[in-house]
Amino acid sequence: GQQVMQIPQYQHVQEGEDFTTYCNSSTTLSNIQWYKQRPGGHPVFLIQLVKSGEVKKQKRLTFQFGEAKKNSSLHITATQTTDVGTYFCAGPKRSGGGADGLTFGKGTHLIIQP
Amino acid sequence: DGGITQSPKYLFRKEGQNVTLSCEQNLNHDAMYWYRQDPGQGLRLIYYSQIVNDFQKGDIAEGYSVSREKKESFPLTVTSAQKNPTAFYLCASSTSGTDYNEQFFGPGTRLTVL
Repeated sequence: GQQVMQIPQYQHVQEGEDFTTYCNSSTTLSNIQWYKQRPGGHPVFLIQLVKSGEVKKQKRLTFQFGEAKKNSSLHITATQTTDVGTYFCAGPKRSGGGADGLTFGKGTHLIIQP
Repeated sequence: DGGITQSPKYLFRKEGQNVTLSCEQNLNHDAMYWYRQDPGQGLRLIYYSQIVNDFQKGDIAEGYSVSREKKESFPLTVTSAQKNPTAFYLCASSTSGTDYNEQFFGPGTRLTVL
């Protein structure tokens, strides 16, 4: 079945340093979504990437979708304590399958040391 | 306010007992989902429903059951057949039709089996 791999599992950074998490799918994706889960909270949608090679920015966050639409990355510039949490990538379980649900990566836990 | 509610927030149950987790949404979404989250495992799909009176098994449906009698409601029953039910359960919803729709998550229910 479809697998979505995400690395690293944990990332410790000093406040102000940059952070990157990488996502790889075993299958080509119609789109990829990124979610953030704060400690003790629930996942919250951040962004969706659809086009091959697409790059989107949200303030200090930069999201990329690979040319083959099988990998993606999230880069945070100059981390702040508010960035703490787990970042998940997710792809549709079946491209063109309607709302069949998402396959999530295991997430990257971002830990920031002040 | 539009959103998804889950109750209860914490739930304790004895081995051998069935328990039902509530999920209600007022977003007028057609599709609803149940995910299970274990530490280090990301989110795994249990069941999903794209329309009232219809639902499909996800990746880990064994030991669980659902119903979708109303558009707003998608309760999950954890049966005594579920071998390791202690986990964080998340309900989500999205507009249906394509695999491009973001998912909105409820606050979750933490189930502990004693």
